[in-house]
Amino acid sequence: GPKVLQIPSHQIIDMGQMVTLNCDPVSNHLYFYWYKQILGQQMEFLVNFYNGKVMEKSKLFKDQFSVERPDGSYFTLKIQPTALEDSAVYFCASSFSGKETLYFGSGTRLTVL
Amino acid sequence: AQSVTQPDARVTVSEGASLQLRCKYSYSGTPYLFWYVQYQRQGLQLLLKYYSGDPVVQGVNGFEAEFSKSDSSFHLRKASVHWSDSAVYFCAASRGSGNKLIFGTGTLLSVKP
Repeated sequence: GPKVLQIPSHQIIDMGQMVTLNCDPVSNHLYFYWYKQILGQQMEFLVNFYNGKVMEKSKLFKDQFSVERPDGSYFTLKIQPTALEDSAVYFCASSFSGKETLYFGSGTRLTVL
Repeated sequence: AQSVTQPDARVTVSEGASLQLRCKYSYSGTPYLFWYVQYQRQGLQLLLKYYSGDPVVQGVNGFEAEFSKSDSSFHLRKASVHWSDSAVYFCAASRGSGNKLIFGTGTLLSVKP
């Protein structure tokens, strides 16, 4: 079936550094999402993105977070600067429309030291 | 507040036994409901979804779920589990448009051979 790829699967950085998480969504999908899962807790919605713009973001989507999809390439989540509490697994998802099934990637585990 | 609750963090069953994983939701109105499965080191995969109509929905690999408005539940069932069903199962809900999913905390299913 359709695949969403996330690169890398694990990233370790020092607190205060910038990190960019990359997502390669399903090729004809138009809606993109980031979810955050802290170990042992539920997955929580961060942001959704359509037509080059953020449609909705949660309170977890801090000012240090930003998303973009330049030139239809990777959909990225950038955190600058990172904080210890940003350590989590970040899942990217995409869908063709706002009501269709979401397809998820396998996640990027971010460890902030 | 909108929420999804999976009361069982871990369920262990023997291969060939029947299975029920519980999910309760708290929403104003009737949300769209989903079950996702996450195999080790993979992304979430959709098992089934409920939008409206017949309260029993069939999914992949012999899974089904039953929507109950009176009980605010969407329990997942399988008549006979296989060892390969061992995974984490997530129940999720949304209002539909924008696909902002609210997830439960997940249930880890272990199938004993």
